[in-house]
Amino acid sequence: TQLLEQSPQFLSIQEGENLTVYCNSSSVFSSLQWYRQEPGEGPVLLVTVVTGGEVKKLKRLTFQFGDARKDSSLHITAAQPGDTGLYLCAGEGSNYKLTFGKGTLLTVNP
Amino acid sequence: NAGVTQTPKFRVLKTGQSMTLLCAQDMNHEYMYWYRQDPGMGLRLIHYSVGEGTTAKGEVPDGYNVSRLKKQNFLLGLESAAPSQTSVYFCASSYSQVYNEQFFGPGTRLTVL
Repeated sequence: TQLLEQSPQFLSIQEGENLTVYCNSSSVFSSLQWYRQEPGEGPVLLVTVVTGGEVKKLKRLTFQFGDARKDSSLHITAAQPGDTGLYLCAGEGSNYKLTFGKGTLLTVNP
Repeated sequence: NAGVTQTPKFRVLKTGQSMTLLCAQDMNHEYMYWYRQDPGMGLRLIHYSVGEGTTAKGEVPDGYNVSRLKKQNFLLGLESAAPSQTSVYFCASSYSQVYNEQFFGPGTRLTVL
């Protein structure tokens, strides 16, 4: 069974601060995705990383896939209240199904 | 496009009752999934379908059945609800199993008393 560990589980910061969220596994994934989920809604895909060492930027969000394709990080620069939500990482295994981490609940206070 | 829709949005059942959750997508996706989300447990796959007329078991299939009679619809059934099935249920669809980027519905919050 492939497991994804996310850290931290909870994060509360002030507007304007930077933060990094981690997603780690002992398993290799074909690709890794990051989703954001707001209260009462379903997860929404932010990005997919495929190649080891890959870095993708989405405005103030920077996503990195580890060289060995076992881990990933999400860095947010100058966080805003609109960034508040549950951030989920999901790894695609060899069977094409996704394994989700338990998520990082981010609160950005104005 | 409505994307992925789920009905109902909320439901309260008594132990032993049955119900069906409906998921519909208008993106012509081949692959559809049912997940449950519980506090501290993350999203867990219940059943999935790789095309019309096909279904397969996921990580936590016990107590649930599914059907995919039409490409755009994926139904999740609870034959005899139990309190352990209290959860938020999400349906998702994807256009390809490569990368498997999934589009989620808004969820159904189910409480079993």
